[in-house]
Amino acid sequence: DTGVSQDPRHKITKRGQNVTFRCDPISEHNRLYWYRQTLGQGPEFLTYFQNEAQLEKSRLLSDRFSAERPKGSFSTLEIQRTEQGDSAMYLCASRRVREDQETQYFGPGTRLLVL
Amino acid sequence: AQTVTQSQPEMSVQEAETVTLSCTYDTSESDYYLFWYKQPPSRQMILVIRQEAYKQQNATENRFSVNFQKAAKSFSLKISDSQLGDAAMYFCAYRSTSGTYKYIFGTGTRLKVLA
Repeated sequence: DTGVSQDPRHKITKRGQNVTFRCDPISEHNRLYWYRQTLGQGPEFLTYFQNEAQLEKSRLLSDRFSAERPKGSFSTLEIQRTEQGDSAMYLCASRRVREDQETQYFGPGTRLLVL
Repeated sequence: AQTVTQSQPEMSVQEAETVTLSCTYDTSESDYYLFWYKQPPSRQMILVIRQEAYKQQNATENRFSVNFQKAAKSFSLKISDSQLGDAAMYFCAYRSTSGTYKYIFGTGTRLKVLA
C-alpha cells in the first residue's frame, strides 16, 4: 500500500493555458474522488468515479473541466482555458467498497496557481 | 442539502493540555458517518477518527475522542495530552450512507500547539 499519489505537486500556469493533473489511487481501490480546496476553505467535491465510470459531477465542474479514468486505474483532471479563479489545491481520494464504513484516503494534492 | 460548520477558525493549546474542536452539521438523514481529518502543513489529509451515527457510543482513538450529540447535530473532537505533532488544520466531514459517499467538509480549524 503506497498510498494515493498525485502529479505534479505544484503547477504555475498563465491564464488561458490548459493544465492536466494525474491521480494514482491505492491499487485495490475502485472508487475515486476529486475535490478542490481554496484558501481558507474545506475541500469541495468535484467528481466521482466508480471504476472507469464517472457517476457524479458537481456543479462546480464547469465545462472547462474534464476528468477521466481510463481502465479504472489512474485518473486525470484537465482544466482548459484556465482562469485565476481556478487557483486552488486539487485533491484526489480513493476508497475500496468492501464495507460501507470504508473511508477515503487522500493524496497530497496538486496546488495550482494561475497567473 | 447537508452542511458542516466549524466555527473556530483557529485554536491554540499548550503542549500536554487538552483542547476541544467544535463541529456542527445539518442533515435530514438519520444514518450517516462523521469524520475528523487532520491536514498538516504541506502534507496530505489523514483520518483521525470516525463516528457512525447509529452508534451511541462515542468513538475513541488513543488521545483523540469525540463527543457526538445526534439530537443537537454536534460532533466535537477532543485531543488529550496535546503534542507538537498535533499542529495542523482539522476538518470535520459528513458522509451519507447512500449515493457516491462523497464528503462534505467544514471550513477547518487551525490548531496551534504551544511548547
